[in-house]
Amino acid sequence: GIQVEQSPPDLILQEGANSTLRCNFSDSVNNLQWFHQNPWGQLINLFYIPSGTKQNGRLSATTVATERYSLLYISSSQTTDSGVYFCAVDTSGSRLTFGEGTQLTVNP
Amino acid sequence: GAGVSQTPSNKVTEKGKYVELRCDPISGHTALYWYRQSLGQGPEFLIYFQGTGAADDSGLPNDRFFAVRPEGSVSTLKIQRTERGDSAVYLCASSLRGFSGRVMSNEQFFGPGTRLTVL
Repeated sequence: GIQVEQSPPDLILQEGANSTLRCNFSDSVNNLQWFHQNPWGQLINLFYIPSGTKQNGRLSATTVATERYSLLYISSSQTTDSGVYFCAVDTSGSRLTFGEGTQLTVNP
Repeated sequence: GAGVSQTPSNKVTEKGKYVELRCDPISGHTALYWYRQSLGQGPEFLIYFQGTGAADDSGLPNDRFFAVRPEGSVSTLKIQRTERGDSAVYLCASSLRGFSGRVMSNEQFFGPGTRLTVL
């Protein structure tokens, strides 16, 4: 099956800093999603981005499908951005395969 | 309701018991998914329903696990003879699965999960 690798596994930032999270995948994908899992365990949809670039406030994402990677940018980070960020892909319009996640900690 | 809901939020049971976990998808969503998340890992796929039928159950770990969606909306995940290794957060997701042009669009939205603890 498809492999999804996220980096870095852990990231610690000071409030106000910028960061880039990466997701590499091993095969062509039909869809790609970025999620934020908050401390209560809820998976929050950030982006649905099988290709191209999208922006939502301080967050933006770019997927280069031909090179099999996606990037999530967080600018001017806030303590509420803390949590685990997951990349997930699907190859056939059905199940999602998740990466191991990036644990982000933003300190005040 | 606006989102996917799951009940109960927490379930503690004893080894060998039977449990049922319920998922209410977003109204109108035709596809429903169950995933399982162990501590420190990403969610792993269990089963996918399109309408009432299980379109892909290849992620179910063994025959103690079973899921139904009799009317194409609410789904129940059933676990028989629970084992300590079944302890995890069980997540449900739904989507409006369909073609957008030539591409299958399948953005999935997740519920808050049920935390299952088997003692």
